[in-house]
Amino acid sequence: EVQLLQSGGGVIQPGGSLRLSCEAFGFRFRDYAMSWVRQAPGRGLEWVAALRATGDLAYYADSVKGRFTISRDNFRNTLDLEMTGLRVDDTAVYYCVRVPCTSPSCYTGGFGFWGQGTLVSVSS
Amino acid sequence: QSGLTQPASVSGSPGQPITVSCNGTSTDVGGYNVVSWYQQHSGKAPKLLIYEVTKRPSGISDRFSGSKSGSTASLIISGLQAEDEADYYCCSYAGGSLYLFGSGTKVTVL
Repeated sequence: EVQLLQSGGGVIQPGGSLRLSCEAFGFRFRDYAMSWVRQAPGRGLEWVAALRATGDLAYYADSVKGRFTISRDNFRNTLDLEMTGLRVDDTAVYYCVRVPCTSPSCYTGGFGFWGQGTLVSVSS
Repeated sequence: QSGLTQPASVSGSPGQPITVSCNGTSTDVGGYNVVSWYQQHSGKAPKLLIYEVTKRPSGISDRFSGSKSGSTASLIISGLQAEDEADYYCCSYAGGSLYLFGSGTKVTVL
């Protein structure tokens, strides 16, 4: 059974840094690109970042570019999101999501597997 | 990177069909057959309902179907049921390994 178990998150002051992690179970992690999607309280979903299966190419939404870094460890089956320069509008539940291809440039499938979500609250 | 536009809310009576629209542009919905739809109940992670415009993952009811015309995608729920009351989001590939989500639609069963 595919599972994505997330950890990290919490309350942080504006300008601070935080690291989210996602551990994958039940599939060959190194065969899939991975992504982060977030949802601000009471708002819609927003795609944040994606990383190729090999971990050598990353893509970011304009809203987080230069502040967030997505990375992975294909030996430990983990995906991370390092968030720096956090702003109040980064407050959201962050979801780890499996992309159905080795590359985020994926013309098949959809986001079929999601983590349980973890809340990041940026507040002074 | 503007999001895709969905109606804020759609409602219907049990057994009736409803349609949720998703308006994009030629650089996202209109440019790729990579549109997916997600159902999200309160406090839960989104669930994939439709992918590649019209395809259903195994286990998803055939009451859910998808279509696309130009830069507008649609989710059709036939035979609305009480458990269909949830938020629904479309998503489209937008080129350059980027994705856009819709603004979300709250479906209410009257």
